[in-house]
Amino acid sequence: QSLLTQPPSMSAAPGQNITISCSGSRSNIGINHVSWYQQLPKTAPKLLIFDNNKRPSGIPDRFSGSKSGPSATLGITGLQSGDEAAYYCATWDSSLSVGPVFGGGTKLTVL
Amino acid sequence: QVTLEESGPVLVKPTETLTLTCTISGFSPNFARMGVTWIRQPPGKALEWLAHIFSNDEKSYNTSLKTRLSISKDTSKRQVVLSLTNVDPVDTATYYCAQTLSLNAAAFDTWGQGTMVTVSA
Repeated sequence: QSLLTQPPSMSAAPGQNITISCSGSRSNIGINHVSWYQQLPKTAPKLLIFDNNKRPSGIPDRFSGSKSGPSATLGITGLQSGDEAAYYCATWDSSLSVGPVFGGGTKLTVL
Repeated sequence: QVTLEESGPVLVKPTETLTLTCTISGFSPNFARMGVTWIRQPPGKALEWLAHIFSNDEKSYNTSLKTRLSISKDTSKRQVVLSLTNVDPVDTATYYCAQTLSLNAAAFDTWGQGTMVTVSA
């Protein structure tokens, strides 16, 4: 059972805008920065967002991140078939785990 | 451009020690200042952080696996080694090493392709 809760799956049509939620607590998201990863099938995860809302070089601005209290959100605009992947949130946990923790992942299907 | 590549056994027997190597290549003048993390992913499951080694050789471990894990680095070889003792079938997973942008933000910006390890008799 992950300390960070994500919806297991989502689906949307090409061109649509979606948001993926990540719910934590005061001991993790509430006081630490959040990162988001995209994992395409059979590949290593790729960093999409760090420090809540910053994009590494090369990540399109269709991807955005935000945080409010103990929750974070990943936004994707103009969905493309290539966005079909698993998405993970991650942050530092200062209580039980005392280290980086990942969400359970959200499998996004582009219809 | 930094690249990371994991290597190690494909199959390990229960109770044995698993040793994995992460070799870092490419343009990285500050290898000695790099932080490197190991993360694993059981088949069909989520990611799990295992261990991190800081540039000053300080180490940090997943508290639930701390007694079984050991991380070290060889700067001259540009390698980071992870050992996991007394393995069990639940340790079957793809193991990744990654360059750490910020450990406190769980931000890992360059990953290896991963190496799949199966624990089975």
